[in-house]
Amino acid sequence: AQSVAQPEDQVNVAEGNPLTVKCTYSVSGNPYLFWYVQYPNRGLQFLLKYITGDNLVKGSYGFEAEFNKSQTSFHLKKPSALVSDSALYFCAVSLKTGANNLFFGTGTRLTVIP
Amino acid sequence: EAQVTQNPRYLITVTGKKLTVTCSQNMNHEYMSWYRQDPGLGLRQIYYSMNVEVTDKGDVPEGYKVSRKEKRNFPLILESPSPNQTSLYFCASSLVASLYNEQFFGPGTRLTVL
Repeated sequence: AQSVAQPEDQVNVAEGNPLTVKCTYSVSGNPYLFWYVQYPNRGLQFLLKYITGDNLVKGSYGFEAEFNKSQTSFHLKKPSALVSDSALYFCAVSLKTGANNLFFGTGTRLTVIP
Repeated sequence: EAQVTQNPRYLITVTGKKLTVTCSQNMNHEYMSWYRQDPGLGLRQIYYSMNVEVTDKGDVPEGYKVSRKEKRNFPLILESPSPNQTSLYFCASSLVASLYNEQFFGPGTRLTVL
């Protein structure tokens, strides 16, 4: 079955330290992978996506993600965390040819500690 | 400002009382979708629409209806709400139905069914 998994419900990191939010996928064929962020009382915002090409994808707010086909992973990273990065992060995979239905992971809550 | 709007933002109702959550986008997007977000489950798709008068079921369509009479609007209808439909609902849109396109999300509607 096609799916995406976020193995950590919660990630804590000190301000200024690098952060990683993990995502693994199980998709037949070429995966189309996305990261979204949800700030409190807000809708989801698109951060970045991997479609094809360079395995390192750069997105909004200084975030980047590395696509690793051999490990079937798409981890979200940032070199230096800000307190304002504290939010709920969702990894998603695009399924179903002919539509762009997104299948979401369960989310990872990132807390950046001042 | 390009955006997806939802109304109401908060709603408390009783079992069996029909309700409609409206969704509107001003970006001339063809594709629209409804998701529900529940703790530990991430976002799950309820219904989607690839264009006017074209709708289809997502992963959890039971108990919901939708319509797409105009391109900009995609209301979610609960004919007879039940407590298990208590959830946070998001409307989303994208330019076209494609595996590659990111989706734009509304601010969410928090529904409580007593």
